Amino acid sequence: QSVLTQPPSASGTPGQRVTISCSGSSSNIGSNYVYWYQQLPGTAPKLLIYRNNQRPSGVPDRFSGSKSGTSASLAISGLRSEDEADYYCAAWDDSLSGPGVVFGGGTKLTVL
Amino acid sequence: QVQLVQSGAEVKKPGASVKVSCKASGYTFTSYYMHWVRQAPGQGLEWMGIINPSGGSTSYAQKFQGRVTMTRDTSTSTVYMELSSLRSEDTAVYYCARGGDIVVVTAPPDYWGQGTLVTVSS
Repeated sequence: QSVLTQPPSASGTPGQRVTISCSGSSSNIGSNYVYWYQQLPGTAPKLLIYRNNQRPSGVPDRFSGSKSGTSASLAISGLRSEDEADYYCAAWDDSLSGPGVVFGGGTKLTVL
Repeated sequence: QVQLVQSGAEVKKPGASVKVSCKASGYTFTSYYMHWVRQAPGQGLEWMGIINPSGGSTSYAQKFQGRVTMTRDTSTSTVYMELSSLRSEDTAVYYCARGGDIVVVTAPPDYWGQGTLVTVSS
């Protein structure tokens, strides 16, 4: 059971816009930045979004992030076949039981 | 460019220990935290802990307290993660991943190593 909650799957057709949600609590998303990662099969995760809505250099502007309260979302516009991957959200958690990074369970994106 | 190069795959028996290395290059090693994250086959990402390469201080996820040790060697810009008392459930790909700069312990990773598969089997 992951601390951050994501839908297990999402899908869209080429050119469409899809969004992936990530729900947390006041100790993680509510008080810290949200990061998003893309993981292609058999490869390491790659940073897509940092500090809620910032894109590292090289990440297309088709990818965007937002945060409101204890939830965040990743939007992918102009969907392409190469976007088919697993997507994870993450945030620091200030929990008294042990601070650290918490992840969502991941969302498998299928491009139909 | 930032590079994190990890050691090769390992096969261990239950009860044994494993030590994975991660050599950093392309940035000032002592200026950024380093996380360790693992991923069991077909599963999601699981945070194990973090080390400050400058002073060597560590913070581990409660789940791994007592079984994991993270160390660093500043002379070779390498961090290590040792996991003891291995069981079959520890079979996973283990990643090192660079964190925030030394004044920002709360930043999740940006750059990731290629991963090291650790298989625990009798």
